[in-house]
Amino acid sequence: SQTIHQWPATLVQPVGSPLSLECTVEGTSNPNLYWYRQAAGRGLQLLFYSVGIGQISSEVPQNLSASRPQDRQFILSSKKLLLSDSGFYLCAWAKGINEKLFFGSGTQLSVL
Amino acid sequence: RKEVEQDPGPFNVPEGATVAFNCTYSNSASQSFFWYRQDCRKEPKLLMSVYSSGNEDGRFTAQLNRASQYISLLIRDSKLSDSATYLCVVNLSGGYNKLIFGAGTRLAVHP
Repeated sequence: SQTIHQWPATLVQPVGSPLSLECTVEGTSNPNLYWYRQAAGRGLQLLFYSVGIGQISSEVPQNLSASRPQDRQFILSSKKLLLSDSGFYLCAWAKGINEKLFFGSGTQLSVL
Repeated sequence: RKEVEQDPGPFNVPEGATVAFNCTYSNSASQSFFWYRQDCRKEPKLLMSVYSSGNEDGRFTAQLNRASQYISLLIRDSKLSDSATYLCVVNLSGGYNKLIFGAGTRLAVHP
């Protein structure tokens, strides 16, 4: 069966510090991978998606970047965090087009 | 107009009640529809897909109205454990799987 791992669960970082969140998927190959962010009391905002190694599409201009160095690994990064980067970050995968998403357990990021 | 719109609620209902949520979407070419459930500070979990003919899973019934561009979720015999936020999800047509989430409808079931 397929599983998705995301870590860490919580993170407190000072403004201006770097960020690296990692997500890995097991039990499947060539998944579509996604990073979403959810601000407190708000809906999920799609940040990045990837259909293959090295292929990253960005949905919104922002302070973040994403990379996919391996088929089942997706990384969210920032060189310098802003207060507005605080939120609940969710990694997700899907088998393909129009397929349902499966989420990791999320990372609660607080930038102070 | 938002791509996916939901009534934020909260819907406060007693145990055993029947409750229905609606969700409207703006892209008439959308092809995939889902309902997810999200508990506080947790990841969303798939509740059910929504098919054109409507579908049922136990106490949950989902329906799609393409002409009016909305989907619905009906929960019968509500349980305390049904308390959560229900997210409506719609894909955007195109060469990739881009699912757009509504902001969610909060349900609180009380004894």
